[in-house]
Amino acid sequence: KQEVTQIPAALSVPEGENLVLNCSFTDSAIYNLQWFRQDPGKGLTSLLLIQSSQREQTSGRLNASLDKSSGRSTLYIAASQPGDSATYLCAVNGAQGAQKLVFGQGTRLTINP
Amino acid sequence: NAGVTQTPKFRILKIGQSMTLQCAQDMNHNYMYWYRQDPGMGLKLIYYSVGAGITDKGEVPNGYNVSRSTTEDFPLRLELAAPSQTSVYFCASSTGWGTEAFFGQGTRLTVV
Repeated sequence: KQEVTQIPAALSVPEGENLVLNCSFTDSAIYNLQWFRQDPGKGLTSLLLIQSSQREQTSGRLNASLDKSSGRSTLYIAASQPGDSATYLCAVNGAQGAQKLVFGQGTRLTINP
Repeated sequence: NAGVTQTPKFRILKIGQSMTLQCAQDMNHNYMYWYRQDPGMGLKLIYYSVGAGITDKGEVPNGYNVSRSTTEDFPLRLELAAPSQTSVYFCASSTGWGTEAFFGQGTRLTVV
């Protein structure tokens, strides 16, 4: 059974810092991995989707990397801003036709002005 | 473009009551999903559908039912609500398996 873990559960950093959020998964046979942002009381917003054949994806100040063999992904946020404060979730799609995303518990990020 | 729309946003139910959570998408997506999110936990799949008339159970289907009569709509039915069903419910859609998923704003349900 695929399990996804995100550490740390919460992270607080000063504005302007570069930071890395971590995601690990137990079964390396994945199809892709998706990073989401969730604001309090809101739904999930897709940030980046990285295919199993890719090593990284970039969107603006965000860069997601994937090391499938070691079961790890990172989300790098450059020059953090208070508006980046949110919970960040990663989710993996299985490669065996599993019709679902398996989610981690999320990292709650706070950027302090 | 509205995306995925869920109604209601909030609801309080008494134990034993029933209700339907509505979900509609206007992106012509074949795949639709219902997840629940408990505090401090990741999302767990309740039911999913790969097209009109086709539904299947996810990880935590007990106490819920779904139907998919049209491509656009995927309602989730709670029968005999229990306190354990207090959660935030999210509907999502995607064009197909393994493609980018788009989520609604969620329905916060409390069963008392």
